[in-house]
Formats: sequence, structure tokens, C-alpha cells
Amino acid sequence: GESVGLHLPTLSVQEGDNSIINCAYSNSASDYFIWYKQESGKGPQFIIDIRSNMDKRQGQRVTVLLNKTVKHLSLQIAATQPGDSAVYFCAEITNSGGSNYKLTFGKGTLLTVNP
Amino acid sequence: DAGVTQSPTHLIKTRGQQVTLRCSPKSGHDTVSWYQQALGQGPQFIFQYYEEEERQRGNFPDRFSGHQFPNYSSELNVNALLLGDSALYLCASSEGTATYGYTFGSGTRLTVV
Repeated sequence: GESVGLHLPTLSVQEGDNSIINCAYSNSASDYFIWYKQESGKGPQFIIDIRSNMDKRQGQRVTVLLNKTVKHLSLQIAATQPGDSAVYFCAEITNSGGSNYKLTFGKGTLLTVNP
Repeated sequence: DAGVTQSPTHLIKTRGQQVTLRCSPKSGHDTVSWYQQALGQGPQFIFQYYEEEERQRGNFPDRFSGHQFPNYSSELNVNALLLGDSALYLCASSEGTATYGYTFGSGTRLTVV
């Protein structure tokens, strides 16, 4: 089964609020995590990543937090805008042998931003 | 700089038929991975091609096969289509197999009727 899962399938926020999307993972050997944004009719778009030896990384309006103790990942979006409405996936990269790495996705959270 | 391009964008096939989907990787990328995304689900890894060989494979039957060409482009073939094969098929390219930098195409929406 999937080793990456999400706590909430949907999240609705008001424009300007901060959004927090959570993700749990089960593979303690994962060494890299990525958040993707997927808009309708498009492929996943990279948002931000974090290595397993870090606990926080910030980008423009986004922050990813990693808690390895409880195997939890979160994506925080500041001042959420209508254009942030999309499905958000966390994904993990694990070594699947030798120089091969595999990207595994969770089910996703639908973020809806209300104007 | 072109990103990952996939063709066709939409496709309708009948059960039992065969389909071929195509992917051109981002410039500078030599590795192609294919994913199946059912409606409301996360993408599921099908297989990965590097140096014209299948390097890794997910939990998909042998009806799913692929190919990579010398120019790094790739094809995904699905034989004996089932209704359950209806999904968005995504191609992702990267530079080498030991990398974290995946770029996704917009996918091919396959509908099996």
C-alpha cells in the first residue's frame, strides 16, 4: 500500500488566511520530501522540497515543516490567494536500490480558497 | 526551454484495444518515469526508463510496457485495455536516476469505454 497519506482530503479557507496542509508518511528511510500543486487539467507542479536532515524550509509564501519523530510533514501557505486553489500532494523519494530512486505520492488534499 | 510534452492530450479507446502514449522529456533530461493517476487519487508509479532500459517498475501488470528512444523520448503502451485503465497518464522527466528533480507533463487523459 501507499506509504504517504494525508490527514484531510479537503480544506476550505478564506482569501488572505493561512493554510496548513498535513501529511503523514510511514517509510522512515525516505530521505527527501516534495510538495506538489496540481491544478485541474495539469500535471503536478513542484512547490517546495525538504531533505530528511532538515526540519524546516521556507520559500515564497510557503513553508514546509518536517517532524521525523512522528513522521509528519506539513505545508503552510501564507496569505492564501484564489490562485492557490488546487490539489496538493506530498511525495517522498526513497532509494529503491543502487542508484535508483522512486517518487511516491499520497492521495492529495483539495484546497479551496473562498474570495 | 520546452518542458515535458505529452501526446495526445485526450484519447478514447474501447475495451480490449491497445494504446500508445508519447512523452518528450525536458531539455537536458535523460530519464523518463510514467505515472497513472485515477480520478481523485495520487499518481501511481508505473515504470522508469533510463538509457533505453526499464530501470524500475511499480505494481502494474505486463499489459503495461514502454520504450525509450535514443533521443530520450518515451512511449507507454497498454494492451488489452480495461475500463479500469481509464486515468490521467503522467510523464515525468529527470536528469539521471539518482535525482530529486522531476518535471511533469500535463498528461494524457485516457478514457476506456
